[in-house]
Amino acid sequence: SSELTQDPAVSVALGQTVRITCQGDSLRNYYASWYQQKPGQAPVLVIYDKNNRPSGIPDRFSGSRSGNTASLTITGAQAEDEADYYCCSRDTSGNHNYVFGTGTKVTVL
Amino acid sequence: EVQVLESGGGLVQPGGSLRLSCAASGFTFSIYAMSWVRQAPGKGLEWVSIIGGIDGNPHYADSVKGRFTISRDNSKNTLYLQMNSLRAEDTAVYYCARRGGTYNDGIVWFGPWGPGTPVTVSS
Repeated sequence: SSELTQDPAVSVALGQTVRITCQGDSLRNYYASWYQQKPGQAPVLVIYDKNNRPSGIPDRFSGSRSGNTASLTITGAQAEDEADYYCCSRDTSGNHNYVFGTGTKVTVL
Repeated sequence: EVQVLESGGGLVQPGGSLRLSCAASGFTFSIYAMSWVRQAPGKGLEWVSIIGGIDGNPHYADSVKGRFTISRDNSKNTLYLQMNSLRAEDTAVYYCARRGGTYNDGIVWFGPWGPGTPVTVSS
């Protein structure tokens, strides 16, 4: 089965830039989507497809992919960006399964 | 407004059953694939199951295959998850989410998500 690996935690100074990475074999062929989850709340889609943001998501969020790694970048991090972030893609098995990354806790200092 | 809302969670004994529901509104429910994703306490997100919009074909994670059944009633804009032979490790918040994109293209995403419904499997 496919796996997506993320760093458990990263920190960023207020107003600075942070990049969150997601590694996995499926990402060589498929795009990742990214989700923000704050404590006690449901996940929220922040990036999908090559680098698209749903309505209401600030343009400081952007996505990219290179090789087997997808990245979510927050340019000019704000206090409200402190949250857990998860990547997701379809699997490589062809069984119509999906896989979420292990999650990254972002702390804004 | 596009939204989904789960219900049906609760406390159930090991080996028991529970049926979750997800009411959708604000979009043409019948044409979208719909999915269940769960999150155990203090853990990450785990994809559980999905059902096609047009074809209605179901797919399951290995961890629930043979025990859970996903279904939908397009006339009621409602998604279901029948959970049988429940185990302690099924304890989680269960989220319903609409899937965007297509699996075969490899461009997929989930949203919106409901607030979730908690399921606790314990004696």
